[in-house]
Parts: sequence; structure tokens; C-alpha cells
Amino acid sequence: KNEVEQSPQNLTAQEGEFITINCSYSVGISALHWLQQHPGGGIVSLFMLSSGKKKHGRLIATINIQEKHSSLHITASHPRDSAVYICAVNVSHRGSTLGRLYFGRGTQLTVWP
Amino acid sequence: DTGVSQDPRHKITKRGQNVTFRCDPISEHNRLYWYRQTLGQGPEFLTYFQNEAQLEKSRLLSDRFSAERPKGSFSTLEIQRTEQGDSAMYLCASSPNAGTYEQYFGPGTRLTVT
Repeated sequence: KNEVEQSPQNLTAQEGEFITINCSYSVGISALHWLQQHPGGGIVSLFMLSSGKKKHGRLIATINIQEKHSSLHITASHPRDSAVYICAVNVSHRGSTLGRLYFGRGTQLTVWP
Repeated sequence: DTGVSQDPRHKITKRGQNVTFRCDPISEHNRLYWYRQTLGQGPEFLTYFQNEAQLEKSRLLSDRFSAERPKGSFSTLEIQRTEQGDSAMYLCASSPNAGTYEQYFGPGTRLTVT
């Protein structure tokens, strides 16, 4: 079983729709990351959070530490948002943080005009 | 600051050949990570370095794989006797220091083994 689970695996939306991608994890963490990957492979960090909520433009990320769950929301989605969105965590182990990331499988988002 | 760079971006090789990839991290980033991503999956950890020391290796890193970071700057990942199952995107990431969780990713090297 993967330490990080994402849903849905694929998501199709019409331009302007509100998008939600979910991430659940089964381990203690120090930080959770939302990453964006475009065709060709490059990965860009969108958010890093350990509690609460962060907002950047049309993107909002929330995390509930007690429930071990995070969501990424995109408001007023646009075709340029089409990409793979990946949830990743830094695992907390015996009081220290492992530098390596554990990744979910990713969510392929396609936004149609 | 030019970001993390990887070379080559694409590599096609025949089964049984050796390949070597290079990663140049952001300057003064002392942590460097290698990940592998197969189609439709999230990246998986291979190994990481703090400066020139290789501190952790995944069980995915069989004895055909070796990584080095000789002067604590750029790193190389070599795969010997490539197999078709090695076909994947190989990603490199760097991080400033042990107290920072954020990682900066390179564009990746896509390996195809025929």
C-alpha cells in the first residue's frame, strides 16, 4: 500500500469549473507538497504546507493533520491548468524528518475550453 | 540562478548498454535527490546525497545502478546493462539544507531502452 493516495486519478472539467483534488496519507508527516507536472516531465512546486490553508492566485491548498488529508482546489479553471498534479510528503520518523519525498500517483487534469 | 539542470533530456539505448545521466543542482544546494518515474505513476525515490556523501539508497537501486556526487556539486547516475524495465523518467531535485523541506526539480531525463 502506498503511503500517499490521491483521487481522482483522472479529472476532466469545463473551463470555469471549480476543481478539487484529494490526497490522503497514512504516515506521520512534517510537510505536504502539491506539485504540478506538465508534459515533458518538469515538476514545479505549487505549495508546501504543514497546517491550515494556503492560497496563490486561483489555487488553494488545505491540510487536516488529524484526518491525514489534504485538498488542492482550483477556482475558475482554465485550459492552461491542464497538467498532472502530484501530492508528496516528507515523512516524520522518530522525531526527525526524512528529506526524501513520498509521492502519490498523480491526478491528470484536463480542462476543456 | 539557473535552476536544476539535467543532461541529456532524452536517451534511447539498446538493452544491455550502459548509460550515464548528469544532474547539476542549484548552486550551494547541499542536498541532491534522484527519483524515477514510470508512465502513469508518481516518482519513486532512488537515492540522495548530502554534499558528497550518499546517505540513503532505495531498494529500487539494484547493483546495476550507481550514483556519485564526487565534489558535492553535480551528480551522475549510471545504469549498467540496461533492461527494458529501466525505461522511465529520471528526475533530479536539490534542496538548500537539512532544515528546508522544499525541493527544486530538474526537467528530467527520459530513458527508453529498446
